[in-house]
Amino acid sequence: KNQVEQSPQSLIILEGKNCTLQCNYTVSPFSNLRWYKQDTGRGPVSLTIMTFSENTKSNGRYTATLDADTKQSSLHITASQLSDSASYICVVSDRGSTLGRLYFGRGTQLTVWP
Amino acid sequence: EADIYQTPRYLVIGTGKKITLECSQTMGHDKMYWYQQDPGMELHLIHYSYGVNSTEKGDLSSESTVSRIRTEHFPLTLESARPSHTSQYLCASSGRIRQGTGGELFFGEGSRLTVL
Repeated sequence: KNQVEQSPQSLIILEGKNCTLQCNYTVSPFSNLRWYKQDTGRGPVSLTIMTFSENTKSNGRYTATLDADTKQSSLHITASQLSDSASYICVVSDRGSTLGRLYFGRGTQLTVWP
Repeated sequence: EADIYQTPRYLVIGTGKKITLECSQTMGHDKMYWYQQDPGMELHLIHYSYGVNSTEKGDLSSESTVSRIRTEHFPLTLESARPSHTSQYLCASSGRIRQGTGGELFFGEGSRLTVL
C-alpha cells in the first residue's frame, strides 16, 4: 500500500532556531516529492518539488533533501521565524499516475515561539 | 500568488440543506480537484476534472457531486448536508506538466463547512 509518513507529528521551537522535518514514503514507482506549507485555515502553498534525480532543493530558508534509495525526504528550516508556524505536508506522486493520484502525509505541525 | 478562489470561506448550515461550494481559477488550467481535509489528517481526493464536461470521483467516497461546464469553474454540491459532512474542502488546479515534474498544484484558501 502506498503511504507517506511524516515525523514528528508536532514540533515547538524557539524563534531563530533551525529544525528538520522528516518524510518517509513507500510510494512506488516514484515520480516526484513535494513539500507544502499550510497556514491555519488556509490552503497549502508549494515550497519545493523534487524528482528522482534531485538530492536537494532550496527555497529561501527552506531546504528539502531527497534520498530515493531509502525513500526518505527531509525539510530543513533555517533561522526560524514566527511566520514559519504552520503545518508542513509531504506529498508523493507515483510515475504514470494522473496528477489526481497524489499521496499526502498528515503533516508536521510546527510552532515557533518568540 | 495563485489565482484560485473559493467561496464561501466559512459556512454553517442545518441538516438537510443543499449547499454549493464555488471554486474558480483564472489561470486557464485544465485540471481541477476537490480535496477534503479533517484536522490532523491527510488530504483526501473526492473529485477531479481534466477538462470541460470531464469529472471523476476520487479516492474518498463522497455524497457530493461536481460539474465542469466552464474551464474556470468547478463547483461542488451537497444535495442534503449532514453533520458527517462537516470538514474543510480544498479546491486545487494544475496546468501543463513541465518536463520532469508533475504539474504544479495550486490550492484555494478552502471552505470550512459546519453542518449542525
